Amino acid sequence: GQQVMQIPQYQHVQEGEDFTTYCNSSTTLSNIQWYKQRPGGHPVFLIQLVKSGEVKKQKRLTFQFGEAKKNSSLHITATQTTDVGTYFCAGWATGGFKTIFGAGTRLFVKA
Amino acid sequence: GAGVSQSPSNKVTEKGKDVELRCDPISGHTALYWYRQSLGQGLEFLIYFQGNSAPDKSGLPSDRFSAERTGGSVSTLTIQRTQQEDSAVYLCASSQGGAANTEAFFGQGTRLTVV
Repeated sequence: GQQVMQIPQYQHVQEGEDFTTYCNSSTTLSNIQWYKQRPGGHPVFLIQLVKSGEVKKQKRLTFQFGEAKKNSSLHITATQTTDVGTYFCAGWATGGFKTIFGAGTRLFVKA
Repeated sequence: GAGVSQSPSNKVTEKGKDVELRCDPISGHTALYWYRQSLGQGLEFLIYFQGNSAPDKSGLPSDRFSAERTGGSVSTLTIQRTQQEDSAVYLCASSQGGAANTEAFFGQGTRLTVV
């Protein structure tokens, strides 16, 4: 069945360093969504990408959807302690019937 | 309601007892998902409902787990004969429909502890 793989599982960075998490699907996706879960909280929607090669920015966060619509990345520039949490990608396979979540990347930021 | 509501927020149960976890999705949301999250881990998919039917229940870990949804709204996840490895946060999410491009809204989760 369709799988959405996310790497790395964990990332420790020094405040001010950049961070990237990658998401790869075994099948072509209609869309890719990104969610953030703060420690002790629940996942909250950040953004959705639907077009091949699409790039969107939210302040220090840059989201990309691959040309083949099978991979995506989230890049954070100059991390801050408020970026701490787990970042999940989620995709809907073309012709599929539900959203599939990746396992998440847990970000630790050291001040 | 304004958001996805889950109850109870915390549940401590003895090994071997049955538990019921409830999810009240956002009104009008036809899609409903149950996930399990162990401490510091990712989301483990359990089951997906579209309306009252469950087209994908492939994530239920054993026949001790079951879920139902009635009236296309409230869903109940039941765990029979609980085991210590069932201890986790159980998250419910709902979205507007069985289509792409719909954002999933998560509840606060039920933290289940089996002692």
